[in-house]
Amino acid sequence: KAGVTQTPRYLIKTRGQQVTLSCSPISGHRSVSWYQQTPGQGLQFLFEYFSETQRNKGNFPGRFSGRQFSNSRSEMNVSTLELGDSALYLCASSLRVPSTDTQYFGPGTRLTVL
Amino acid sequence: QKEVEQDPGPLSVPEGAIVSLNCTYSNSAFQYFMWYRQYSRKGPELLMYTYSSGNKEDGRFTAQVDKSSKYISLFIRDSQPSDSATYLCAMGGYNKLIFGAGTRLAVHP
Repeated sequence: KAGVTQTPRYLIKTRGQQVTLSCSPISGHRSVSWYQQTPGQGLQFLFEYFSETQRNKGNFPGRFSGRQFSNSRSEMNVSTLELGDSALYLCASSLRVPSTDTQYFGPGTRLTVL
Repeated sequence: QKEVEQDPGPLSVPEGAIVSLNCTYSNSAFQYFMWYRQYSRKGPELLMYTYSSGNKEDGRFTAQVDKSSKYISLFIRDSQPSDSATYLCAMGGYNKLIFGAGTRLAVHP
């Protein structure tokens, strides 16, 4: 079974621009979560989608948004990029809700904001 | 105070050593406890998953949960250079999943 895939793997943007990251979960998984990982803050939860509905949202500004499509694929968008948005963005999928189920992570998208 | 505390390390040990990695937590609602391993430039992968107090063993890895002390541990026996990675604890329950900051482990030959 194919794992979680994320595109693109690397991205360089400048301040003020916007970016869209994509995640394809494992086939049959209906839950997709997004995380931001930085050396100083560790793994920070962004949001979680289950069957196209956002079930949970982390403590991030409104510049960070996401959505999930009917095929469970998910996208996250960051508008008006800031230097501090440079991070590894990880997507994870699971069969059931993440708090009780194994999450399978993709390789991440490394975003650099200049 | 963070809900999950994990010493970031780095932890450096010789090959063959027993490694102990730990996390403490403050929210007694957590019922599910996980350990993930993350190699450089990769996403985390699940190592161990437990939902009760006590020990769970899988090969060289043992996960230990003490709910009364709100403390979980991961032991690695006969550590190998291939175990060099960042280890993240994670705790879930009541619609919440929280990760620790991760402990960087280096096993040198």
